[in-house]
Amino acid sequence: AQSVSQHNHHVILSEAASLELGCNYSYGGTVNLFWYVQYPGQHLQLLLKYFSGDPLVKGIKGFEAEFIKSKFSFNLRKPSVQWSDTAEYFCAVNRPSSNTGKLIFGQGTTLQVKP
Amino acid sequence: NAGVTQTPKFQVLKTGQSMTLQCAQDMNHEYMSWYRQDPGMGLRLIHYSVGAGITDQGEVPNGYNVSRSTTEDFPLRLLSAAPSQTSVYFCASSLGRIAYEQYFGPGTRLTVT
Repeated sequence: AQSVSQHNHHVILSEAASLELGCNYSYGGTVNLFWYVQYPGQHLQLLLKYFSGDPLVKGIKGFEAEFIKSKFSFNLRKPSVQWSDTAEYFCAVNRPSSNTGKLIFGQGTTLQVKP
Repeated sequence: NAGVTQTPKFQVLKTGQSMTLQCAQDMNHEYMSWYRQDPGMGLRLIHYSVGAGITDQGEVPNGYNVSRSTTEDFPLRLLSAAPSQTSVYFCASSLGRIAYEQYFGPGTRLTVT
């Protein structure tokens, strides 16, 4: 079935460690890609998005992601995490061809950063 | 701007009861949608609307109704609550369907006993 997969369900890092969260999707054709973050007890906020152009996109709070079309991937990275990055991270895909605006979410990755 | 607002924040229902989750946005967004969030499953689309008077089903529409009489409001109705509807519900809005960021509300945590 077509889907969005986040391979890491729970990641534990120490402060200053580097972060990479994987996201793969299985849809062909044009896609719009998003990473959302949900801090404990809060709503989803957009970290970054890719629609077209430079496949390396930079978002808020030092996050970046690289779209690799050949690998159907959109991995999220941060060189040095902080305790305040503890949150749940969701990758999401929108397919313009569906014309529904539907965001298809991955299962989410819980990041715990130890001080 | 208040952005996307949802009420109530928490709700407990008994099986068979009905209720309406409220969602409003003040950004003049045409597109609005409802998602449910369950552990290990990410968010799944329940219903969406591309403008006032127009709604359509998403991935998991059974047991839910929506209407869109104004641009600002997009209520979600549970007709006869079931324990399987215990979840966190998020409303979202965006300028359009394609190539636009969706803004999410704070969520409603619903428990059906």
